[in-house]
Amino acid sequence: GAGVSQSPRYKVAKRGQDVALRCDPISGHVSLFWYQQALGQGPEFLTYFQNEAQLDKSGLPSDRFFAERPEGSVSTLKIQRTQQEDSAVYLCASSLARDRGTDTQYFGPGTRLTVL
Amino acid sequence: SQQGEEDPQALSIQEGENATMNCSYKTSINNLQWYRQNSGRGLVHLILIRSNEREKHSGRLRVTLDTSKKSSSLLITASRAADTASYFCATATSLYNQGGKLIFGQGTELSVKP
Repeated sequence: GAGVSQSPRYKVAKRGQDVALRCDPISGHVSLFWYQQALGQGPEFLTYFQNEAQLDKSGLPSDRFFAERPEGSVSTLKIQRTQQEDSAVYLCASSLARDRGTDTQYFGPGTRLTVL
Repeated sequence: SQQGEEDPQALSIQEGENATMNCSYKTSINNLQWYRQNSGRGLVHLILIRSNEREKHSGRLRVTLDTSKKSSSLLITASRAADTASYFCATATSLYNQGGKLIFGQGTELSVKP
């Protein structure tokens, strides 16, 4: 079946603009995660959903970042008043969440955000 | 901030040689996973090892886990040019309220020369 998809793949924004990044998880996957990956670094956790409930948003860097998953499937990560330090690749991952010990996260291709 | 450290940061080998990458982490874990990332692309899951396992194999990959030392290693045998990529270890914490979020290391950049 189809994997995790993300759109757009590339986004260029002027400083101060709002952006919205979309994630379509694998069908039937309960858990959905957002990560931020700066150039040359490993991904860093932003937020986590179980179905429509946002259970952990401890990684969101500021109140300009907001994520939602209203129907427990598609998720949107919104960044308001973008700053240059927001430039990164934003990765979405989903998992079945059946067994915590063997739960594999499947990643989308990411959205590369560049803030000018 | 990231939990893990990976060693080496960069590794260059000839095709056919073995590549070994190491990962250390700080907190107790539920499992440890290794991912590969080709330039400009998403992460591809390679292998998962549970905290009660010590070694796991998958094709040309061999992963070991030493929870007493909080470390893991990934061995790629008989490397190919197509193995050129960045490799990341990621740990899933055992804390229930963390939901299985992954904490990634900095990555090892592997270059396999034909």
